[in-house]
Amino acid sequence: GAVVSQHPSRVICKSGTSVKIECRSLDFQATTMFWYRQFPKKSLMLMATSNEGSKATYEQGVEKDKFLINHASLTLSTLTVTSAHPEDSSFYICSAYRDPNEKLFFGSGTQLSVL
Amino acid sequence: DQQVKQNSPSLSVQEGRISILNCDYTNSMFDYFLWYKKYPAEGPTFLISISSIKDKNEDGRFTVFLNKSAKHLSLHIVPSQPGDSAVYFCAACEGDQGAQKLVFGQGTRLTINP
Repeated sequence: GAVVSQHPSRVICKSGTSVKIECRSLDFQATTMFWYRQFPKKSLMLMATSNEGSKATYEQGVEKDKFLINHASLTLSTLTVTSAHPEDSSFYICSAYRDPNEKLFFGSGTQLSVL
Repeated sequence: DQQVKQNSPSLSVQEGRISILNCDYTNSMFDYFLWYKKYPAEGPTFLISISSIKDKNEDGRFTVFLNKSAKHLSLHIVPSQPGDSAVYFCAACEGDQGAQKLVFGQGTRLTINP
Protein backbone atom coordinates (compact mmCIF):
# COMPACT_ATOMS: atom_id res chain seq x y z
CA GLY A 1 0.00 0.00 0.00
CA ALA A 2 0.89 3.60 -0.40
CA VAL A 3 2.96 5.13 2.36
CA VAL A 4 3.58 8.69 3.35
CA SER A 5 6.72 9.13 5.38
CA GLN A 6 7.12 12.09 7.69
CA HIS A 7 10.40 13.01 9.33
CA PRO A 8 11.40 13.69 12.02
CA SER A 9 8.82 12.10 14.27
CA ARG A 10 9.85 14.25 17.19
CA VAL A 11 11.91 17.40 17.52
CA ILE A 12 12.80 19.54 20.50
CA CYS A 13 14.28 22.93 19.82
CA LYS A 14 15.05 26.21 21.48
CA SER A 15 12.88 29.23 20.96
CA GLY A 16 13.98 31.25 17.95
CA THR A 17 15.34 28.36 15.91
CA SER A 18 13.89 27.02 12.67
CA VAL A 19 12.69 23.48 12.21
CA LYS A 20 12.17 21.64 8.94
CA ILE A 21 9.70 18.79 8.63
CA GLU A 22 9.72 16.53 5.57
CA CYS A 23 6.81 14.70 4.04
CA ARG A 24 7.55 12.09 1.39
CA SER A 25 5.29 9.91 -0.68
CA LEU A 26 7.22 6.67 -0.93
CA ASP A 27 5.57 4.76 -3.76
CA PHE A 28 3.48 7.28 -5.61
CA GLN A 29 3.71 10.77 -6.99
CA ALA A 30 1.78 13.32 -5.02
CA THR A 31 0.93 16.49 -6.87
CA THR A 32 -0.91 17.76 -3.83
CA MET A 33 0.07 17.50 -0.19
CA PHE A 34 -1.58 18.99 2.85
CA TRP A 35 -0.14 20.19 6.12
CA TYR A 36 -2.18 20.09 9.30
CA ARG A 37 -1.68 21.13 12.87
CA GLN A 38 -3.26 19.03 15.56
CA PHE A 39 -4.85 20.86 18.45
CA PRO A 40 -6.08 19.65 21.84
CA LYS A 41 -9.18 17.47 21.64
CA LYS A 42 -7.71 16.18 18.43
CA SER A 43 -9.10 18.74 16.05
CA LEU A 44 -7.05 19.06 12.91
CA MET A 45 -6.46 22.44 11.37
CA LEU A 46 -5.57 22.57 7.74
CA MET A 47 -2.64 24.93 7.46
CA ALA A 48 -1.89 24.88 3.79
CA THR A 49 -2.17 22.98 0.55
CA SER A 50 1.12 22.27 -1.13
CA ASN A 51 1.16 21.90 -4.90
CA GLU A 52 4.20 20.63 -6.73
CA GLY A 53 5.93 23.33 -8.68
CA SER A 54 3.83 26.20 -7.41
CA LYS A 55 3.33 28.27 -4.31
CA ALA A 56 1.45 26.76 -1.42
CA THR A 57 -2.07 27.91 -0.65
CA TYR A 58 -2.36 28.96 2.96
CA GLU A 59 -5.53 28.89 5.01
CA GLN A 60 -6.78 32.05 6.60
CA GLY A 61 -4.90 32.93 9.75
CA VAL A 62 -1.79 30.89 8.91
CA GLU A 63 1.34 33.01 8.60
CA LYS A 64 3.03 32.03 5.37
CA ASP A 65 6.29 33.72 6.37
CA LYS A 66 6.39 31.67 9.55
CA PHE A 67 5.35 28.34 8.08
CA LEU A 68 7.33 27.99 4.88
CA ILE A 69 6.19 25.23 2.56
CA ASN A 70 8.19 23.92 -0.35
CA HIS A 71 6.95 21.23 -2.72
CA ALA A 72 9.95 20.89 -4.95
CA SER A 73 9.25 17.43 -6.33
CA LEU A 74 6.34 15.06 -6.80
CA THR A 75 7.40 13.05 -3.77
CA LEU A 76 8.56 15.64 -1.27
CA SER A 77 7.02 18.56 0.54
CA THR A 78 8.69 20.35 3.43
CA LEU A 79 7.29 22.54 6.17
CA THR A 80 9.73 24.87 7.87
CA VAL A 81 8.66 26.50 11.11
CA THR A 82 10.78 29.63 11.23
CA SER A 83 11.76 31.31 14.48
CA ALA A 84 9.79 28.78 16.47
CA HIS A 85 8.18 29.82 19.74
CA PRO A 86 6.65 27.74 22.51
CA GLU A 87 3.16 28.41 21.18
CA ASP A 88 4.18 26.60 17.99
CA SER A 89 4.58 23.39 19.96
CA SER A 90 2.13 20.90 18.50
CA PHE A 91 1.72 17.86 16.30
CA TYR A 92 2.14 18.59 12.63
CA ILE A 93 0.75 16.06 10.18
CA CYS A 94 1.05 15.88 6.42
CA SER A 95 -1.08 14.01 3.96
CA ALA A 96 -0.88 13.34 0.27
CA TYR A 97 -3.26 12.49 -2.50
CA ARG A 98 -2.56 9.61 -4.79
CA ASP A 99 -4.19 10.54 -8.07
CA PRO A 100 -6.38 9.62 -9.82
CA ASN A 101 -8.55 8.00 -7.21
CA GLU A 102 -7.98 10.81 -4.69
CA LYS A 103 -7.14 8.49 -1.88
CA LEU A 104 -5.62 10.50 0.94
CA PHE A 105 -2.75 9.06 2.95
CA PHE A 106 -1.49 10.53 6.20
CA GLY A 107 2.04 10.80 7.48
CA SER A 108 2.89 9.63 10.96
CA GLY A 109 3.14 13.15 12.33
CA THR A 110 5.86 15.26 13.91
CA GLN A 111 5.77 16.28 17.55
CA LEU A 112 7.37 19.71 17.82
CA SER A 113 8.33 20.94 21.27
CA VAL A 114 9.76 24.45 21.50
CA LEU A 115 11.47 25.25 24.76
CA ASP B 1 1.97 -2.36 9.68
CA GLN B 2 -1.39 -0.66 9.43
CA GLN B 3 -2.67 -0.18 12.95
CA VAL B 4 -5.97 1.34 11.86
CA LYS B 5 -7.78 -0.18 8.90
CA GLN B 6 -10.80 0.81 6.93
CA ASN B 7 -11.30 -2.14 4.64
CA SER B 8 -14.03 -0.63 2.51
CA PRO B 9 -12.62 2.03 0.21
CA SER B 10 -16.09 3.08 -0.86
CA LEU B 11 -19.72 2.78 0.15
CA SER B 12 -22.88 3.79 -1.66
CA VAL B 13 -26.14 4.34 0.26
CA GLN B 14 -29.54 5.60 -0.72
CA GLU B 15 -30.72 8.86 0.79
CA GLY B 16 -32.72 8.32 3.95
CA ARG B 17 -31.17 4.96 4.69
CA ILE B 18 -28.53 4.14 7.27
CA SER B 19 -24.84 4.43 6.40
CA ILE B 20 -22.46 2.22 8.35
CA LEU B 21 -18.74 2.82 8.10
CA ASN B 22 -16.38 0.36 9.71
CA CYS B 23 -12.93 0.59 11.19
CA ASP B 24 -10.66 -1.99 12.78
CA TYR B 25 -7.54 -1.49 14.83
CA THR B 26 -4.76 -3.73 16.02
CA ASN B 27 -3.06 -1.76 18.80
CA SER B 28 -4.65 -2.68 22.11
CA MET B 29 -3.16 0.46 23.67
CA PHE B 30 -5.51 2.67 21.68
CA ASP B 31 -8.20 4.00 23.95
CA TYR B 32 -9.57 7.02 22.15
CA PHE B 33 -11.13 6.96 18.72
CA LEU B 34 -12.29 9.64 16.34
CA TRP B 35 -14.07 10.02 13.04
CA TYR B 36 -13.26 12.77 10.57
CA LYS B 37 -15.14 13.81 7.49
CA LYS B 38 -13.44 15.22 4.45
CA TYR B 39 -14.87 16.95 1.41
CA PRO B 40 -12.81 17.23 -1.80
CA ALA B 41 -10.18 19.97 -1.69
CA GLU B 42 -10.75 20.54 2.02
CA GLY B 43 -9.03 19.30 5.14
CA PRO B 44 -10.67 16.72 7.39
CA THR B 45 -13.11 18.05 9.97
CA PHE B 46 -13.72 16.37 13.27
CA LEU B 47 -17.04 14.57 13.46
CA ILE B 48 -17.38 12.48 16.60
CA SER B 49 -15.20 10.65 19.07
CA ILE B 50 -15.46 7.90 21.65
CA SER B 51 -13.42 6.91 24.64
CA SER B 52 -12.75 3.27 25.39
CA ILE B 53 -14.73 3.52 28.61
CA LYS B 54 -17.85 3.79 26.47
CA ASP B 55 -19.31 1.55 23.83
CA LYS B 56 -21.53 4.13 22.20
CA ASN B 57 -21.56 7.85 21.62
CA GLU B 58 -24.34 9.67 19.84
CA ASP B 59 -24.46 13.14 18.34
CA GLY B 60 -27.52 13.91 16.27
CA ARG B 61 -27.60 11.69 13.21
CA PHE B 62 -24.15 10.30 13.99
CA THR B 63 -23.47 7.42 16.36
CA VAL B 64 -20.16 5.72 16.94
CA PHE B 65 -20.05 2.22 18.37
CA LEU B 66 -16.98 0.66 19.91
CA ASN B 67 -16.40 -3.05 20.39
CA LYS B 68 -13.18 -3.30 22.35
CA SER B 69 -12.98 -7.06 22.38
CA ALA B 70 -13.20 -7.14 18.59
CA LYS B 71 -11.06 -4.01 18.21
CA HIS B 72 -13.71 -2.62 15.96
CA LEU B 73 -15.59 0.62 15.71
CA SER B 74 -18.30 1.80 13.40
CA LEU B 75 -19.94 5.07 12.48
CA HIS B 76 -23.66 5.05 11.82
CA ILE B 77 -25.33 7.90 9.98
CA VAL B 78 -29.10 7.87 9.99
CA PRO B 79 -30.86 9.11 8.02
CA SER B 80 -28.22 9.61 5.35
CA GLN B 81 -28.34 12.87 3.45
CA PRO B 82 -26.69 13.94 0.17
CA GLY B 83 -24.46 16.32 2.10
CA ASP B 84 -22.98 13.35 3.90
CA SER B 85 -21.21 12.32 0.71
CA ALA B 86 -17.54 12.63 1.62
CA VAL B 87 -14.54 10.58 2.64
CA TYR B 88 -14.62 9.42 6.25
CA PHE B 89 -11.47 8.68 8.21
CA CYS B 90 -11.29 6.90 11.50
CA ALA B 91 -8.37 7.62 13.79
CA ALA B 92 -7.09 6.26 17.06
CA CYS B 93 -4.69 7.27 19.78
CA GLU B 94 -3.53 6.36 23.25
CA GLY B 95 -5.23 8.66 25.70
CA ASP B 96 -7.36 11.73 25.09
CA GLN B 97 -5.22 14.26 26.90
CA GLY B 98 -2.34 16.24 25.57
CA ALA B 99 -0.85 15.74 22.15
CA GLN B 100 -1.01 12.00 21.61
CA LYS B 101 -0.33 11.00 18.05
CA LEU B 102 -3.31 10.19 15.89
CA VAL B 103 -3.11 7.12 13.68
CA PHE B 104 -5.45 7.30 10.72
CA GLY B 105 -7.17 4.72 8.61
CA GLN B 106 -7.11 5.10 4.84
CA GLY B 107 -10.62 6.39 4.54
CA THR B 108 -13.94 5.26 3.11
CA ARG B 109 -15.64 7.27 0.40
CA LEU B 110 -19.35 7.51 1.15
CA THR B 111 -21.74 8.40 -1.64
CA ILE B 112 -25.36 9.14 -0.82
CA ASN B 113 -27.64 8.61 -3.79
CA PRO B 114 -30.83 10.66 -4.06
